[in-house]
Amino acid sequence: DAKTTQPPSMDCAEGRAANLPCNHSTISGNEYVYWYRQIHSQGPQYIIHGLKNNETNEMASLIITEDRKSSTLILPHATLRDTAVYYCIVRSLTGANNLFFGTGTRLTVIP
Amino acid sequence: EAQVTQNPRYLITVTGKKLTVTCSQNMNHEYMSWYRQDPGLGLRQIYYSMNVEVTDKGDVPEGYKVSRKEKRNFPLILESPSPNQTSLYFCASSLDPRSYNSPLHFGNGTRLTVT
Repeated sequence: DAKTTQPPSMDCAEGRAANLPCNHSTISGNEYVYWYRQIHSQGPQYIIHGLKNNETNEMASLIITEDRKSSTLILPHATLRDTAVYYCIVRSLTGANNLFFGTGTRLTVIP
Repeated sequence: EAQVTQNPRYLITVTGKKLTVTCSQNMNHEYMSWYRQDPGLGLRQIYYSMNVEVTDKGDVPEGYKVSRKEKRNFPLILESPSPNQTSLYFCASSLDPRSYNSPLHFGNGTRLTVT
């Protein structure tokens, strides 16, 4: 699976939109982009995934560039409970469903 | 409530004393997996199971065993634990690993300390 690059940390003011970037320049045509987050030492939580179209659900929006080499996760109105480590993962369906989590972005929402 | 349940949440043991960490899911998921998480190394897969009686090694299987005798349970066995197995362990499951619309669901973790 293609590897991803994320900034190690970001801050966001409470109530503002949090925009978390991810580079995946080696992504191939059959690979999806997934986002998970991990609050403190809890189990990672699925947020959203997409292939090439923008996606939105009750938690977040995912914007994937036209060339698919990068994406942005948007939390529209960040709350203190959104403070977590956010992982961007690129996954194909070959192999063992083994998601490579990397080190992610530590998002801190500031009151 | 749909969930992945791991037990125990915390475990302190001594080198060489066999232990089992249990994992159970109530979502009728085909796929189950074990990860360990260590500072600076992220989450690494230990073993996974595509279905009952089917298990395979992940990236770091040495020192671990698993079994999948029934769909809902996927215990992790450490026959002779060593201090380098001190870690935070997560069990995860998904409905269909061959589907893009089948994300992983994680348990709340087991923090293991081997002295």
